[in-house]
Amino acid sequence: VQLQESGPGLVKPSGTLSLTCTVSGDSISSSNWWSWIRQTPGKGLEWIGEIYHSGSTNDSPSLKSRVTLSVDKFKNQFSLKLSSVTAADTAVYFCARNLWFGFFDYWGQGTLVSVSS
Amino acid sequence: VLTQSPGTLSLSPGERVTLSCRASQSVSSNYLAWYQQKPGQAPRLLIYGASFRATGIPDRFSGSGSGTDFTLTISRLEPEDFAVYSCQQYGSSPYTFGQGTKLEIK
Repeated sequence: VQLQESGPGLVKPSGTLSLTCTVSGDSISSSNWWSWIRQTPGKGLEWIGEIYHSGSTNDSPSLKSRVTLSVDKFKNQFSLKLSSVTAADTAVYFCARNLWFGFFDYWGQGTLVSVSS
Repeated sequence: VLTQSPGTLSLSPGERVTLSCRASQSVSSNYLAWYQQKPGQAPRLLIYGASFRATGIPDRFSGSGSGTDFTLTISRLEPEDFAVYSCQQYGSSPYTFGQGTKLEIK
């Protein structure tokens, strides 16, 4: 199983961060959930949210109002949109696979997204 | 909130080490995982369910604990074990991580 994040590495303040995770070796329609996690030097690892192939989602309350998760079963991908970004959203963003209320067993390599004008 | 201690440990290869992860409230069903992370890499799952080794993880890694207190033990440190170790609870949403313990070579 491999996951690969893709998307812009630089986003302007107040803009929207958009990332896609392409999954290989597993079907996005399997019984797994698919998560986004970010990492900053100051706050460590932070779970953003998860999505199931049906479109069901769970989000972290701290980001909930700014997060949109989606899945594309045909492309075997899932995506993250984070709106109204600030410098505090600068982080390495990872996508990962997990079970419902599960640990993360496969991770993407991570992608650095910087928020700056 | 998951609190890991200590923040940094300086040890030598061959030594035994025990890392601590303490939860502010009981972790449901002992749904506690441990990850290893090296610079520039994604976290790697080591332990799930507090004590079950993930596939391919050497048996020098072991996890224990229940409720609010959990530990990760490395019985004999190998050079490749010097990294950051983080715990994560998945018993309740939002899933949360500890701030990590860094193992450095003495």
